[in-house]
Amino acid sequence: EAGVAQSPRYKIIEKRQSVAFWCNPISGHATLYWYQQILGQGPKLLIQFQNNGVVDDSQLPKDRFSAERLKGVDSTLKIQPAKLEDSAVYLCASSFARATGELFFGEGSRLTVL
Amino acid sequence: SQQGEEDPQALSIQEGENATMNCSYKTSINNLQWYRQNSGRGLVHLILIRSNEREKHSGRLRVTLDTSKKSSSLLITASRAADTASYFCATDAYLSTGGTSYGKLTFGQGTILTVHP
Repeated sequence: EAGVAQSPRYKIIEKRQSVAFWCNPISGHATLYWYQQILGQGPKLLIQFQNNGVVDDSQLPKDRFSAERLKGVDSTLKIQPAKLEDSAVYLCASSFARATGELFFGEGSRLTVL
Repeated sequence: SQQGEEDPQALSIQEGENATMNCSYKTSINNLQWYRQNSGRGLVHLILIRSNEREKHSGRLRVTLDTSKKSSSLLITASRAADTASYFCATDAYLSTGGTSYGKLTFGQGTILTVHP
């Protein structure tokens, strides 16, 4: 079974530039998550999709971050314009069960904002 | 916001010793999960314990849950150098918003475990 795929693995940009990250979840997983992990901290949930609808985006900085899930499968997370404090690893995860159950994580996309 | 707080922040032991990590949380949960993260990699699920369970085992892992104290512990027995990683507890709470119910997994800050050969 293929795992969660993310790209790019690394991205370096200047502040005020834009960046997009892509995620392809495990086939059949209805729930998709984007987490932000700053160095030395635990992952923080940015947005959670159930199929292609958003169920939680309470911690997404909506003035600069946006995310969509196309046809309930792939997802894209965009940052525009980026700030220095956005430097982090962006982790995508998916799960089969809506309410409980384990999450399957991708390898992450490491963003450095200069 | 981070739901779980883990203790210690860092743990350094010798191969063969046991490693114990603790997690405390604040609100009611459906279950509590433990994840492992090797440096530069994604998180990997280790074990899930439901709110009505008190103890669970998986190989060299033993997890306990005390819902009255809102705390959990992860014990790794007979540790190996390959166990070196960060370990995170995550609390799964059932939320409802706008008529939609869903589970939300919130991670703690993690414990960095170093096992010396």
